[in-house]
Amino acid sequence: AQSVSQHNHHVILSEAASLELGCNYSYGGTVNLFWYVQYPGQHLQLLLKYFSGDPLVKGIKGFEAEFIKSKFSFNLRKPSVQWSDTAEYFCAVNAMNRDDKIIFGKGTRLHILP
Amino acid sequence: ETGVTQSPTHLIKTRGQQVTLRCSSQSGHNTVSWYQQALGQGPQFIFQYYREEENGRGNFPPRFSGLQFPNYSSELNVNALELDDSALYLCASSAGQGVVNSPLHFGNGTRLTVT
Repeated sequence: AQSVSQHNHHVILSEAASLELGCNYSYGGTVNLFWYVQYPGQHLQLLLKYFSGDPLVKGIKGFEAEFIKSKFSFNLRKPSVQWSDTAEYFCAVNAMNRDDKIIFGKGTRLHILP
Repeated sequence: ETGVTQSPTHLIKTRGQQVTLRCSSQSGHNTVSWYQQALGQGPQFIFQYYREEENGRGNFPPRFSGLQFPNYSSELNVNALELDDSALYLCASSAGQGVVNSPLHFGNGTRLTVT
């Protein structure tokens, strides 16, 4: 069965610090990968996605993620965070060609200090 | 375009009761997925509807059931409520079948409390 692990449950950073949130998935086949974000008081929204091609994908608001197949990882990065990046971040995986079920990780709560 | 809307926003029920949650999909979207998000957890896939038919189901018992209507709105029904059913229930819509073709657009959820 597919599963997603997010290593950090709660991360606190100062503005301008660099960010990397870890994500590992377990599934031996081809996958589609996602990062979703939930800002305070708002609904979940897509930050970026990987389907195929260049393993380094860029999303909104300066975020990027790198798919490393050999490590079953899809870590999220941002070189310099802002206070407005305070949110909860969810990594998610879909087993390609299997069904449309998307499996989410437990989330990482990111708090940026002004 | 209007986004995904869910009703009610909050609900309190007693163990053993039944509940119906409603979702209006985003304009132009014909696929609806339901997720359960318990406190401190990520969303868990309950099931998906595409053109009024169930198109995939997660590890939830049969007392969790759903419907999709011709206008693509959807209902989630839960019978014989248990305390562990307390959670945020999220509805997400997408255009067409297949996550590759269209990302999920989430509603704000219904917070269900079972006492």
